[in-house]
Amino acid sequence: EIVLTQSPGTLSLSPGERATLSCRASQSVSSSYLAWYQQKPGQAPRLLIYGASSRATGIPDRFSGSGSGTDFTLTISRLEPEDFAVYYCQQYGSSPPTWTFGQGTKVEIK
Amino acid sequence: QVQLVQSGAEVKKPGSSVKVSCKASGGTFSSYTISWVRQAPGQGLEWMGRIIPILGIANYAQKFQGRVTITADKSTSTAYMELSSLRSEDTAVYYCARGGVGATVSYFDYWGQGTLVTVSS
Repeated sequence: EIVLTQSPGTLSLSPGERATLSCRASQSVSSSYLAWYQQKPGQAPRLLIYGASSRATGIPDRFSGSGSGTDFTLTISRLEPEDFAVYYCQQYGSSPPTWTFGQGTKVEIK
Repeated sequence: QVQLVQSGAEVKKPGSSVKVSCKASGGTFSSYTISWVRQAPGQGLEWMGRIIPILGIANYAQKFQGRVTITADKSTSTAYMELSSLRSEDTAVYYCARGGVGATVSYFDYWGQGTLVTVSS
């Protein structure tokens, strides 16, 4: 079973700053099968990025994803007030079909 | 517009079962899959299983095998998740989420609003 480890656990930044979130897999993951979600308190997760680097519908271009193999990154180029939330990476394994999430990174206002 | 609307909060006794529903609208129910993901208080996301409604086939996470049953009713575009032998550790918000097939199988693009299940004696 692939384990996803996100770092840091908490990122304290100010609006306008750049956020760089890491997701490391215990084994190589197909880039096609790596996604990122944003979750705000009391809300369901929202899909941000799929296929490691493709933005979901309606997601602003300040969000970008990159990486391959075991190391993936979500970058928020300039933090807006609404971006302070928890972010999860997720991977899909096909045999058998399973979906695994990282433990999350909280981006908080400094 | 795609919407997944879940049933309301539940309070259950240890050892009992709970069944949560997820009604889809705004899309073609049989063209997608429905997964269930839970989140314990203050914790992360955990995938439990999924169903392919057009086939009626379900896959489950090993952790929940034998305790969870996911079904779907194509006539009402509704998916169900039943969890049995409840214990306090099952207290969580349970989400349904839409997944794709083929090239879009790997991620969840729409989510229900969540259903809080509290297990307490």
